Amino acid sequence: QVHLVQSGAEVKKPGASVKISCKASGYTFINRHIHWVRQAPGQGLEWMGWLIPGDGKTKSSPKFQARITITRDTSASTAYMELSSLRSEDTGVYYCARLTGYSLDLWGPGTQVTVSS
Amino acid sequence: QSALTQPASVSGSPGQSITISCTGSYSDIGGYDYVSWYQQFPDKTPQLLIYDVTKRPSGVSNRFSGSKSGKTASLTISGLQAADEADYFCSSYSSGGTWVFGTGTKVTVL
Repeated sequence: QVHLVQSGAEVKKPGASVKISCKASGYTFINRHIHWVRQAPGQGLEWMGWLIPGDGKTKSSPKFQARITITRDTSASTAYMELSSLRSEDTGVYYCARLTGYSLDLWGPGTQVTVSS
Repeated sequence: QSALTQPASVSGSPGQSITISCTGSYSDIGGYDYVSWYQQFPDKTPQLLIYDVTKRPSGVSNRFSGSKSGKTASLTISGLQAADEADYFCSSYSSGGTWVFGTGTKVTVL
């Protein structure tokens, strides 16, 4: 079965970092780009960045460029997204998703991140 | 990189057709035929509905159709059903190898 499994919910204090994992199964991990998308409570989807699992190349939205690190472990078919210097506005659900062509055809279940003092 | 503009809400009666617009720029929608639409039910994961402007993934009803003119893409839902009540987001590939999402539209079936 093809799916993406994400790590569990996180609660962080302002200024801390969070690292979320996204494990792919049922397809060849290195063959498809992985994207990260955020959704604040009651808000829309926000594109954060992508990863090419084959060579580790990444690109991120200018909004997150200074705070985001996207990596992968090909032996574990897992992508990671780390966001630093967290603030309350970073509270939300973080999704990883697989890119096919130019669209996201497979989404992880989401990881809830809560930033609170 | 600004979000694509969608109406906050669209409503219609069962059986009617509704259209959701998604307006961007020549750096995204106007420059590429890589517009996607996603359907999201409350507290659920987004699901791909339309890709490459007009194409439907296997399993998606042909009541959903997409189009584009200039900087504006559109999603039309024909034969509106109660089960179509959800949030809908457009997305486009953008210059520089980035992507951008729309602001989202809540569809209500009256």
